[in-house]
Amino acid sequence: KQEVTQIPAALSVPEGENLVLNCSFTDSAIYNLQWFRQDPGKGLTSLLLIQSSQREQTSGRLNASLDKSSGRSTLYIAASQPGDSATYLCAVRRTNAGKSTFGDGTTLTVKP
Amino acid sequence: EAGVAQSPRYKIIEKRQSVAFWCNPISGHATLYWYQQILGQGPKLLIQFQNNGVVDDSQLPKDRFSAERLKGVDSTLKIQPAKLEDSAVYLCASSTISGRAGELFFGEGSRLTVL
Repeated sequence: KQEVTQIPAALSVPEGENLVLNCSFTDSAIYNLQWFRQDPGKGLTSLLLIQSSQREQTSGRLNASLDKSSGRSTLYIAASQPGDSATYLCAVRRTNAGKSTFGDGTTLTVKP
Repeated sequence: EAGVAQSPRYKIIEKRQSVAFWCNPISGHATLYWYQQILGQGPKLLIQFQNNGVVDDSQLPKDRFSAERLKGVDSTLKIQPAKLEDSAVYLCASSTISGRAGELFFGEGSRLTVL
């Protein structure tokens, strides 16, 4: 059974800082890994999708990496802004038709 | 391209009452998911459909929860009778089976409060 862990549960940083969010998973046989952002009272917004054959994906100030052998993914946010404040969740999918297992998220606060 | 639509956004009911949530996935997405998200936790899968067939309902409390996806498009999730612990956000997601298969797209969610 896949287990996904995100540590820390909460993180507070000053504006402009570069930061890394962590996602660990127990079963390295994955199909893809997806990072999401969730604002309070809202649904999940997809940020980046990494297929199992890929090592990283980039979108603007975001960069996500994947190391299947160690069961880890990181989400790097460059030059953080107050608008980046949200909960960030990762989800690991076992097969293309299977379910995705989510971590409990890291709640990020970027202070002006 | 229209996103995943869900309704209602909010619902407050008394315990033992019933409630139904509706979801319309992104056009052309064959796979539809219902997730339950309790405050402070990540979403947990309740049921997954591919077209109008059930792929995974192993975590669905079948004594009180039911879901259907008639005609392989929109879906309804029902809870009857509701319990206090059903208070959560019910998220619908969809994905395609081709191209970027497995990439999940979520709706805004339906927040249920059971009193």
